[in-house]
Amino acid sequence: AQSVTQPDIHITVSEGASLELRCNYSYGATPYLFWYVQSPGQGLQLLLKYFSGDTLVQGIKGFEAEFKRSQSSFNLRKPSVHWSDAAEYFCAVGNQGGKLIFGQGTELSVKP
Amino acid sequence: DAGVIQSPRHEVTEMGQEVTLRCKPISGHNSLFWYRQTMMRGLELLIYFNNNVPIDDSGMPEDRFSAKMPNASFSTLKIQPSEPRDSAVYFCASSPIAGEVFEQYFGPGTRLTVT
Repeated sequence: AQSVTQPDIHITVSEGASLELRCNYSYGATPYLFWYVQSPGQGLQLLLKYFSGDTLVQGIKGFEAEFKRSQSSFNLRKPSVHWSDAAEYFCAVGNQGGKLIFGQGTELSVKP
Repeated sequence: DAGVIQSPRHEVTEMGQEVTLRCKPISGHNSLFWYRQTMMRGLELLIYFNNNVPIDDSGMPEDRFSAKMPNASFSTLKIQPSEPRDSAVYFCASSPIAGEVFEQYFGPGTRLTVT
């Protein structure tokens, strides 16, 4: 069965520091992968997606993610975190029929 | 583009009452999804529709929950009777292409509190 694991429930980084959020997936075929961000009291917003092609994907707000098939990973990165990046981040894999399977989320806190 | 619209944004009701949550997907989108988010269980898919037809309702917790999509621009999620354990944030999302993997666009959610 398809699944997504985000190993880190909560991460704290200092403003200006680099960020990497981990995501591992389990999927039999070529995966379609997504990262969403949820600010407090808001719905989920798409940051970026990977369907095929270049394994390094650029998204909005300066985020990028790298698909590594050998490691079944799709980690999200940002070179310099801003206080406004504090939010919850969800990784998801798309399966047949159009459903998305979401991970449990990683809450990001940013220290001034 | 107005995005996915959900109403009400907040709902407080007493146990045993009927609750109806509403969703208007993005115009032209052919798939609609209902999710529930809680601290304990995270984000759960309840049901989804392709071209107004329910495809998978295996996530609906029990018979107290029902969902309809009478036309392409409107869907409801109803809980009758409501219980305190139904307290959660309910999200509606839509996607432009039915039956294919595509990004989903989420509404702002309805925060339901059942006392």
